Amino acid sequence: EAGVTQFPSHSVIEKGQTVTLRCDPISGHDNLYWYRRVMGKEIKFLLHFVKESKQDESGMPNNRFLAERTGGTYSTLKVQPAELEDSGVYFCASSHGAETQYFGPGTRLLVL
Amino acid sequence: AQSVTQLGSHVSVSEGALVLLRCNYSSSVPPYLFWYVQYPNQGLQLLLKYTSAATLVKGINGFEAEFKKSETSFHLTKPSAHMSDAAEYFCAVISNFNKFYFGSGTKLNVKP
Repeated sequence: EAGVTQFPSHSVIEKGQTVTLRCDPISGHDNLYWYRRVMGKEIKFLLHFVKESKQDESGMPNNRFLAERTGGTYSTLKVQPAELEDSGVYFCASSHGAETQYFGPGTRLLVL
Repeated sequence: AQSVTQLGSHVSVSEGALVLLRCNYSSSVPPYLFWYVQYPNQGLQLLLKYTSAATLVKGINGFEAEFKKSETSFHLTKPSAHMSDAAEYFCAVISNFNKFYFGSGTKLNVKP
């Protein structure tokens, strides 16, 4: 069974540009989550999808971040325009039920 | 509210020595607790989880953790460290809305 995959693995962009991160969850997992780790600090929750609906987006930093999950399969997280403080590692996770979340390898974003 | 504190951002042990990584939690509800490990250039991998069954939980690669409600702790241990255990370890608590709260991580260094 394939795990959670994320693309790209690394992205380097300039301040003001747009970046779109993609996450493919484990097949059959209705729950999809985005997390972010900034500057070696703790991993923080961004949002949670159940199928195509946003269940909880309380962790989204501001309106420069837009997450979608059309069709309830893969998800994208767009940052527009990117700022320096958006640099970090963005993790995606998926789960079937309410407990164990399976994490992807992360996308390392650097905004210059 | 839920939160996790990991004491020690870096821990160094000799190969064959005991590994002890500390985690204390705060939770307003009976907690579900997790330890994840991140090897270099990889994603987060579940080590073990506590979900209100046995207080001593055994995980992969010889790791185990004991839930102590009186101390609000969930420390991770391994009797004998191996070089391959060098990684970053994250303790996490999950809310009743499927949101993970992570500690800031502990990097384990194993010396030959």
